[in-house]
Amino acid sequence: KQEVTQIPAALSVPEGENLVLNCSFTDSAIYNLQWFRQDPGKGLTSLLLIQSSQREQTSGRLNASLDKSSGRSTLYIAASQPGDSATYLCACSGAGSYQLTFGKGTKLSVIP
Amino acid sequence: GAGVSQTPSNKVTEKGKYVELRCDPISGHTALYWYRQSLGQGPEFLIYFQGTGAADDSGLPNDRFFAVRPEGSVSTLKIQRTERGDSAVYLCASSLARRGLPFSNQPQHFGDGTRLSIL
Repeated sequence: KQEVTQIPAALSVPEGENLVLNCSFTDSAIYNLQWFRQDPGKGLTSLLLIQSSQREQTSGRLNASLDKSSGRSTLYIAASQPGDSATYLCACSGAGSYQLTFGKGTKLSVIP
Repeated sequence: GAGVSQTPSNKVTEKGKYVELRCDPISGHTALYWYRQSLGQGPEFLIYFQGTGAADDSGLPNDRFFAVRPEGSVSTLKIQRTERGDSAVYLCASSLARRGLPFSNQPQHFGDGTRLSIL
């Protein structure tokens, strides 16, 4: 059974800093890995999707990497802004199943 | 609408009652998913539809939970004899994933969820 872990559970940084969020998964047989953002009381906003054959994806100030062999993904946020404050979740879908398995998320606070 | 729509946004009911939660997926999305999120946790998978049929219902916790998608678009999650432990946010997602399309590059798009509180 796939298990997804996100470390740290919470992170506080000053505005302007670059930061990295970590995600690890136990079963490397995945179709893809998605990073989401969740604001309080809201649903999930898809940020980036990395297919199993890809190593990274970029969107604006966000860059996500995937290393299937080691079961790790990172989300890099450049020049953080207070509006980046949210909970960031990673999730992967495994071979033979379209369902997403989620980590518990990292709660990010960017201090002005 | 442009996104996944879920109604109601909040539902409060008494233990033992029956509830229905509705999901309107993005137009044209054949795949629909239900997840449940408890406080401080990531969402947990409940059921996946491809078209009208439930392709994977392995996440439904027990037979009090049931979901339908009769016309391959709107879906309803139904919970009978609700218990306090059913309190959570119920999230719906949709995607273009279907036979013949590469699944690996089809993201799931989520609605804002229904916050269910069982008193």
